[in-house]
Amino acid sequence: AQTVTQSQPEMSVQEAETVTLSCTYDTSESDYYLFWYKQPPSRQMILVIRQEAYKQQNATENRFSVNFQKAAKSFSLKISDSQLGDAAMYFCAYRGNFGNEKLTFGTGTRLTIIP
Amino acid sequence: DAGVTQSPTHLIKTRGQQVTLRCSPKSGHDTVSWYQQALGQGPQFIFQYYEEEERQRGNFPDRFSGHQFPNYSSELNVNALLLGDSALYLCASSLASGTRGQETQYFGPGTRLLVL
Repeated sequence: AQTVTQSQPEMSVQEAETVTLSCTYDTSESDYYLFWYKQPPSRQMILVIRQEAYKQQNATENRFSVNFQKAAKSFSLKISDSQLGDAAMYFCAYRGNFGNEKLTFGTGTRLTIIP
Repeated sequence: DAGVTQSPTHLIKTRGQQVTLRCSPKSGHDTVSWYQQALGQGPQFIFQYYEEEERQRGNFPDRFSGHQFPNYSSELNVNALLLGDSALYLCASSLASGTRGQETQYFGPGTRLLVL
């Protein structure tokens, strides 16, 4: 079974600064997908960024980028130029390949933006 | 482009009752997954439906059952409610596996269930 670990229950960052959220996972699969989702107080789970394990290049989406280290089973999220609207719970999630398509989530990191 | 919708938004039930939650997938999606999110926790996978069949199931008792209709919408049913079933229930839709680049699950706003 796959596991996802987020070791930072809470993080805070000054507005306009950069913050990195950590995520590690455990799997025996070679082909899989990793995601970061954001859940603001409105509770809607919103996709932030995704990474396919077969791609070596790290994914980027505007101010959001990941550092994917497949051998270390690490998948961190970097948020640049933090904005007040980035305040939310951030969940790291793992999806396996065909036949194992459920998402396995970590326990989340609550990100606070300090004005 | 309509996103994932869920109904109702909130629900209050008493122990022992039964509840049905509904989900309509994002336009063009054919697969629906259900998750339970207890307060302060990450979502836990309940099951996934594709072509009106349960394709994968998480570690939830048989009190949790589901259904998918020909239009791809889905229902989650919970029988004999327990206090511990109080949670946010999230529905997510996606395209069937085998389509590279289409594996992302998109979530609805959730249904908050309170069992008294």
